[in-house]
Amino acid sequence: KAGVTQTPRYLIKTRGQQVTLSCSPISGHRSVSWYQQTPGQGLQFLFEYFSETQRNKGNFPGRFSGRQFSNSRSEMNVSTLELGDSALYLCASIPTGRGLAGPGGEQFFGPGTRLTVL
Amino acid sequence: GQQLNQSPQSMFIQEGEDVSMNCTSSSIFNTWLWYKQDPGEGPVLLIALYKAGELTSNGRLTAQFGITRKDSFLNISASIPSDVGIYFCAGRGRNSGYALNFGKGTSLLVTP
Repeated sequence: KAGVTQTPRYLIKTRGQQVTLSCSPISGHRSVSWYQQTPGQGLQFLFEYFSETQRNKGNFPGRFSGRQFSNSRSEMNVSTLELGDSALYLCASIPTGRGLAGPGGEQFFGPGTRLTVL
Repeated sequence: GQQLNQSPQSMFIQEGEDVSMNCTSSSIFNTWLWYKQDPGEGPVLLIALYKAGELTSNGRLTAQFGITRKDSFLNISASIPSDVGIYFCAGRGRNSGYALNFGKGTSLLVTP
């Protein structure tokens, strides 16, 4: 079974630009969550989607947004990039599909997208 | 989200030694997860814990869900060089959906 796919793996942008990152969860998983990882702040929750609906959002400014499509693929967008947005952006696939729901909480991460803002 | 207190921050040990790391929170969690992250990769799930007092093993790894539901620990027995990496604890609260709170990680170095 294929794992979580994130594209692109690496991205370089300049301040003020916007960026879109993509995540394809494990087949059959209907929930996706996004995290930002930086050396200073560690791993921080951005948002979570289930069946195209955002169910939960972390404490990030409105420049960070996301969406989920009917095939469970998800995208996140960061507008008006700042230097501090440089980070590893991780997507996690959550087994909430029919017959897959466990006790809850297990999340399987993709390799991440390394964003560098110059 | 809440930052968990994970310790130690780093460990430098010899192959064959046992390792112990722990994580504490000011809030009660329903789920504790332990992950390992290698450079340039995403975290890989090692162990998931769902009940207070639960003790779960995965090969040489053993983790426990504290009875207060505010802490968890991970032990690695007979460490080997491939255990090198950063280990993260993560907790999920009752009212936070699937949002995970992470510790800052324990960096483990193992010398042959």
